[in-house]
Amino acid sequence: DAKTTQPPSMDCAEGRAANLPCNHSTISGNEYVYWYRQIHSQGPQYIIHGLKNNETNEMASLIITEDRKSSTLILPHATLRDTAVYYCIVRVASGANSKLTFGKGITLSVRP
Amino acid sequence: NAGVTQTPKFQVLKTGQSMTLQCAQDMNHNSMYWYRQDPGMGLRLIYYSASEGTTDKGEVPNGYNVSRLNKREFSLRLESAAPSQTSVYFCASRVEDRAWYQETQYFGPGTRLLVL
Repeated sequence: DAKTTQPPSMDCAEGRAANLPCNHSTISGNEYVYWYRQIHSQGPQYIIHGLKNNETNEMASLIITEDRKSSTLILPHATLRDTAVYYCIVRVASGANSKLTFGKGITLSVRP
Repeated sequence: NAGVTQTPKFQVLKTGQSMTLQCAQDMNHNSMYWYRQDPGMGLRLIYYSASEGTTDKGEVPNGYNVSRLNKREFSLRLESAAPSQTSVYFCASRVEDRAWYQETQYFGPGTRLLVL
């Protein structure tokens, strides 16, 4: 699976958009980009995933560059409850034996 | 739906003691996973089970055993606990979808283990 690179931390003001970057320059054509987050002391939570098109759901938007070497997770109106570690994961779809590899992620701090 | 449940929430062991961490899911998922998370680190996969009756090693399996008791339950056993196994343990199950390639895992609340 392709390796991902995320800055260690960032912050944003409550109510503003939080744009979390991820580099995955060695991504292959059949690898998906997944985002999870982990709020302090809780289990990770799935947010969104995509292959090459931009995706949006009730939690966030995922913007993938045309060359697919990087992506950005957007939380449109960050709240204090969005303070968490966000993990960008790239992996091949491999059916029942598929596994996730978590790096250190990016710590997002939302300030009042 | 309770989702993924784990017991116990907290446990303190002495070196050499054994214990079993329990995990259950009520979402009818085939695949289940055990991860550990050390301070300041991401999650590392210990073992996983793609279906009832099958188990496979992950990244850090040494010192652990697992049992996929049935489709709902996946337990993790420490036969002789060591201080290096002090960690937070998360169980997860994977959603089954018409699009089989979807890698969406649902995680339990974790078990915090301290080995003295």
